[in-house]
Amino acid sequence: DGGITQSPKYLFRKEGQNVTLSCEQNLNHDAMYWYRQDPGQGLRLIYYSQIVNDFQKGDIAEGYSVSREKKESFPLTVTSAQKNPTAFYLCASSTGTGPEQYFGPGTRLTVT
Amino acid sequence: GQNIDQPTEMTATEGAIVQINCTYQTSGFNGLFWYQQHAGEAPTFLSYNVLDGLEEKGRFSSFLSRSKGYSYLLLKELQMKDSASYLCAVRGFSGGYNKLIFGAGTRLAVHP
Repeated sequence: DGGITQSPKYLFRKEGQNVTLSCEQNLNHDAMYWYRQDPGQGLRLIYYSQIVNDFQKGDIAEGYSVSREKKESFPLTVTSAQKNPTAFYLCASSTGTGPEQYFGPGTRLTVT
Repeated sequence: GQNIDQPTEMTATEGAIVQINCTYQTSGFNGLFWYQQHAGEAPTFLSYNVLDGLEEKGRFSSFLSRSKGYSYLLLKELQMKDSASYLCAVRGFSGGYNKLIFGAGTRLAVHP
């Protein structure tokens, strides 16, 4: 089945540690995105990539980093510089030309 | 600026009809999306409007008026499984790229 996978579903880390969230898609989509969702707020764009080896900052990129070495994969690293990292993180992909984005199941990160 | 407003919560009765409104302000409008999101899960695509008018898809319909910056999602013959958050998202051109701006979501509770 084609789709987007994110792992793990739940992640716990101590403050001051970097952590990497996985996102893989087998939809052959060119564009991939990372969003953050907090209670009572809309999804906010962290980073996006329209093509392999290229990515751009979204609205809230500070304290995050990404890579896009393969079309299928777009991992997100939450660094210790991110002041409030506890959130629900969603990865999405799209064809790049079509309007719709498809979302992965999400990773809930808790930092204590 | 860019802004999306939708009600925070709504309740409705099983079998009834409910309309969820969304108003928006954005630059370079390029489509409006509705997503459904069950608690702790990924958003799933419901509808896409880029021209004025009504798009119908089974029990769900979505309406757009670009001149008024207004959309609604209409859910008919409500079922208990329709209890979820409904996210309105507008695609606009900002910062050099097309991006989705999400509203905070409307939490719908369907009761017997």
